[in-house]
Amino acid sequence: GNSVTQMEGPVTLSEEAFLTINCTYTATGYPSLFWYVQYPGEGLQLLLKATKADDKGSNKGFEATYRKETTSFHLEKGSVQVSDSAVYFCALSVHSGGYQKVTFGTGTKLQVIP
Amino acid sequence: EAGVAQSPRYKIIEKRQSVAFWCNPISGHATLYWYQQILGQGPKLLIQFQNNGVVDDSQLPKDRFSAERLKGVDSTLKIQPAKLEDSAVYLCASSLVPGGYEQYFGPGTRLTVT
Repeated sequence: GNSVTQMEGPVTLSEEAFLTINCTYTATGYPSLFWYVQYPGEGLQLLLKATKADDKGSNKGFEATYRKETTSFHLEKGSVQVSDSAVYFCALSVHSGGYQKVTFGTGTKLQVIP
Repeated sequence: EAGVAQSPRYKIIEKRQSVAFWCNPISGHATLYWYQQILGQGPKLLIQFQNNGVVDDSQLPKDRFSAERLKGVDSTLKIQPAKLEDSAVYLCASSLVPGGYEQYFGPGTRLTVT
């Protein structure tokens, strides 16, 4: 079956620190990969995506590269801000039976302190 | 563009009672999803609709959960009777194209079963 494994949180960083949140996956077929973010009190929203191997998704200073050889999609940001404090979910989507089937990781809570 | 609407935002019920949640997706979005998010876990897909037909309900506990999407627009998710382990946030999401890559999430309904 399909699965997503994320590093456990919470992750606590000082403002302007470098961020890495690890994500690895197992999937049948050729998945698309995503990072979603959930700010306190809000619903999930798409942060970035990559649909094929070696693609790099980027948004709001965050980046992640689709690494097929290591089945990974690690999220990085060079300099985090307090406003980046949220829960980050890695997810994959595979085509199955005529529709896209999505699997989420358990989420990693990020807390950025001033 | 209006987002995905859900109601109620919070609900507290006793075990063995019934409860219903409502979702109105973004206008024109063909695919609608219901997820269950237990505290500390990632969202788990309960059911996925394509227009008003079900494409995936493999993880829906059908002895107590039911969902419908009349006229391919808004949807209701019902639990009857509720159990303590149903305490969770119920998320509704929609996507534009069939199994579209980007899902747009509503704010969720937080259910507490006592």
